[in-house]
Amino acid sequence: DIVMTQSPDSLTVSLGERATINCRTNQSVLSDSNYQNYIAWYQQKPLQSPKLLIYWASTRESGVPDRFSGSGSGTDFTLTILSLQAEDVAIYYCQQYFSSPWTFGQGTKVEIK
Amino acid sequence: QVRLQESGPGLVKPSGTLSLTCVVSGVSMSSSNWWSWVRQSPGKGLEWIGEIFHSGVTKYNPSLKSRVTISVEKSKSQYSLHLRSVTAADSAVYYCARRGKALDVWGIGNAVTVSS
Repeated sequence: DIVMTQSPDSLTVSLGERATINCRTNQSVLSDSNYQNYIAWYQQKPLQSPKLLIYWASTRESGVPDRFSGSGSGTDFTLTILSLQAEDVAIYYCQQYFSSPWTFGQGTKVEIK
Repeated sequence: QVRLQESGPGLVKPSGTLSLTCVVSGVSMSSSNWWSWVRQSPGKGLEWIGEIFHSGVTKYNPSLKSRVTISVEKSKSQYSLHLRSVTAADSAVYYCARRGKALDVWGIGNAVTVSS
């Protein structure tokens, strides 16, 4: 199985400041055939189901604010929230869909300072 | 819009079978998507259980494969999860989700507790 390791486990950021979450995989998730990285990012607010934010490592899902961006390739990936808003308080997960079984990171909790 | 809705019991006895159904609306199950089950427990985070294509082809997490069956009923626009020989470790919120662009649509979840 591909192991996903997120850092940090929790993050406290002031409103309007940048939040950066990292995700590392123990093997590359970059496809040789389509040059896509099979990484997704999800946001889960309390008592809600996860919501897809980013797929193919950097493609924003429809309706997701442009303050959310994804980057990285191979084994190292980053989710950036450019200007943190109160409604962004949530747990964020990375997930690989390169190789079954699909696996998730342990989550990063983002709070307001 | 696409909606997924889980249904099933909230309590299952140890050694019993956990059975959940996911009803899909707003899209044909014959579209080019996989229909997944994911669970979330405090101890293990998010865990992908398995998925099914409309043709009936399945993929399972090897950690659960010996106990899991996922089936589809396209005529009813629903698919089901059966997890056998459950223990307390199987207590979790179970989500159904569509895998199109990653897991792009999720149900609201069905909390299941395994207890006598």
